Amino acid sequence: DGGITQSPKYLFRKEGQNVTLSCEQNLNHDAMYWYRQDPGQGLRLIYYSQIVNDFQKGDIAEGYSVSREKKESFPLTVTSAQKNPTAFYLCASSWAGEYNEQFFGPGTRLTVL
Amino acid sequence: SQQGEEDPQALSIQEGENATMNCSYKTSINNLQWYRQNSGRGLVHLILIRSNEREKHSGRLRVTLDTSKKSSSLLITASRAADTASYFCATDPYRGGTSYGKLTFGQGTILTVHP
Repeated sequence: DGGITQSPKYLFRKEGQNVTLSCEQNLNHDAMYWYRQDPGQGLRLIYYSQIVNDFQKGDIAEGYSVSREKKESFPLTVTSAQKNPTAFYLCASSWAGEYNEQFFGPGTRLTVL
Repeated sequence: SQQGEEDPQALSIQEGENATMNCSYKTSINNLQWYRQNSGRGLVHLILIRSNEREKHSGRLRVTLDTSKKSSSLLITASRAADTASYFCATDPYRGGTSYGKLTFGQGTILTVHP
């Protein structure tokens, strides 16, 4: 899983609660990403950031929020506005530019009770 | 809709056999990448092929790219039980020469290699 850590590995939350997923990288990468993966599916991009203090919405940003105050950190908050938050969440980072292979964390499995 | 579509959705083979997975995409690309995911884990990057390359090798992996057909294939030779995983292609769409790192992943191929 390279130099990217995600915590916690498993997370349970009650409906109506916000929850924040942690993602930290020590690879000195400029870009960071959050994906959602549902069973048997590919990855869908939630948010991405190419530089500190800047981020863009991905394909499924509704009900999620992020911040990028430090280069190493890109936390994701799943808000109560996200109607179906139970999923596997993956964080990744990469260099900016042409050779942009992404390095992934181990993932956080979120279950809404 | 997904930019990359893998085929087949699932592949079951015996150890020692070769495994071939295909990926089709719709728009022009800067590069195409293949990733592997073991069950319940993060993805691991396997290989990146640029739009001006036609073939690339890495160990037992061989990737081809045909930009005229907008397709790529991943060949795993002499497969092992440890190769059992899901394999995803991801495309970096062409945006006038600039790569923003915003990859689009396909649905994946589930490969099972029986001992």
